[in-house]
Amino acid sequence: AQSVTQLGSHVSVSEGALVLLRCNYSSSVPPYLFWYVQYPNQGLQLLLKYTTGATLVKGINGFEAEFKKSETSFHLTKPSAHMSDAAEYFCAVSGKAAGNKLTFGGGTRVLVKP
Amino acid sequence: DAGVTQSPTHLIKTRGQQVTLRCSPKSGHDTVSWYQQALGQGPQFIFQYYEEEERQRGNFPDRFSGHQFPNYSSELNVNALLLGDSALYLCASSWERGSGETQYFGPGTRLLVL
Repeated sequence: AQSVTQLGSHVSVSEGALVLLRCNYSSSVPPYLFWYVQYPNQGLQLLLKYTTGATLVKGINGFEAEFKKSETSFHLTKPSAHMSDAAEYFCAVSGKAAGNKLTFGGGTRVLVKP
Repeated sequence: DAGVTQSPTHLIKTRGQQVTLRCSPKSGHDTVSWYQQALGQGPQFIFQYYEEEERQRGNFPDRFSGHQFPNYSSELNVNALLLGDSALYLCASSWERGSGETQYFGPGTRLLVL
């Protein structure tokens, strides 16, 4: 079984400040990990993913995440927030042995203050 | 290169009715997954279709059924609608023989059951 916990349903950051969104997962099989972003009234857009190899992965729009197996974490960061980063962010886990179905966390809504 | 498309964008039904939602996968993709996203929550996996067969199913009742056509497009059918079926229904596609773990989402169909 797989599960995802996102700490903080809402995060408020100032423009130009660090964005840090926390994600912890549970998986009985080697995990694939994803971050998706959802803008209002839209579908999900893939930000980045970890499957194998380098544990620090870079994505679109300046975001990056680090897979830490010992901590079962996959936190998302961006050094400097932009107003356009205001959206909802979802962490998800899947795995080849689990048929590649995605299990999502509850989401974190990011508000960017000018 | 067309992404994942879904139709209709919005739908209003009454309790007890039946609904059909449609999805066309991203060009070159052969696998379609469906997710339900209730308001304020993360998406929940409904089922996945590959080679015109349901390959994996989440914890949804038999009122939810689907189909995949030879051109890889897919339908989601929900019978005997309940108020609780009101949600955003997301379709995602992937390429089994490629990076099959990576799913790309469409814009969704927002269903309101009255």
